[in-house]
Amino acid sequence: EAGVTQSPTHLIKTRGQQATLRCSPISGHTSVYWYQQALGLGLQFLLWYDEGEERNRGNFPPRFSGRQFPNYSSELNVNALELEDSALYLCASSLVQTNTGELFFGEGSRLTVL
Amino acid sequence: GDSVTQMEGPVTLSEEAFLTINCTYTATGYPSLFWYVQYPGEGLQLLLKATKADDKGSNKGFEATYRKETTSFHLEKGSVQVSDSAVYFCALSDRWGTSGSRLTFGEGTQLTVNP
Repeated sequence: EAGVTQSPTHLIKTRGQQATLRCSPISGHTSVYWYQQALGLGLQFLLWYDEGEERNRGNFPPRFSGRQFPNYSSELNVNALELEDSALYLCASSLVQTNTGELFFGEGSRLTVL
Repeated sequence: GDSVTQMEGPVTLSEEAFLTINCTYTATGYPSLFWYVQYPGEGLQLLLKATKADDKGSNKGFEATYRKETTSFHLEKGSVQVSDSAVYFCALSDRWGTSGSRLTFGEGTQLTVNP
């Protein structure tokens, strides 16, 4: 069974541009979470999507946004990129019905802003 | 709010040494507790978990016991290998209603095992 898949693996952008990251959850998982792992800052919760709706977001500005599609895959969009947006962006999924709190993570997308 | 505190790293050990990484938490209610591992250049992998007090999670020689009285979930391994070199994250689940959960992570502990 395929795990959580993310694309692209690496992305290089310049300040002011927009970045789009994509995530496919494990088959049967309806919830998708996005985390940011910036150097020295640990893992910060960004967004949670379930059944196509944004359910909760972390302490990030509105230029971080996303959506979840009918097939439960998800996109994270970062507008007006700033240097400090350089980070590893991790996507995770979970199965709500057997929710023990465990999340299954992808390999991440590394965004570099120049 | 909920929080997780891990022992500061980095930790450097020789192969076959005993490993302990301390983790304490603050939470309302009864969270599930997790240890995740991140190998160089990779995402997070679940190492072990415990969902209620006194549960012991174990995997690949690693163990951690959910101690409610001391709000702790320390990670231990009796004999580390070079291949255990990675960053280890302690985390707790923070439930939202009946359907959601968010993991709150500690800062991570870098472990290096030398041959």
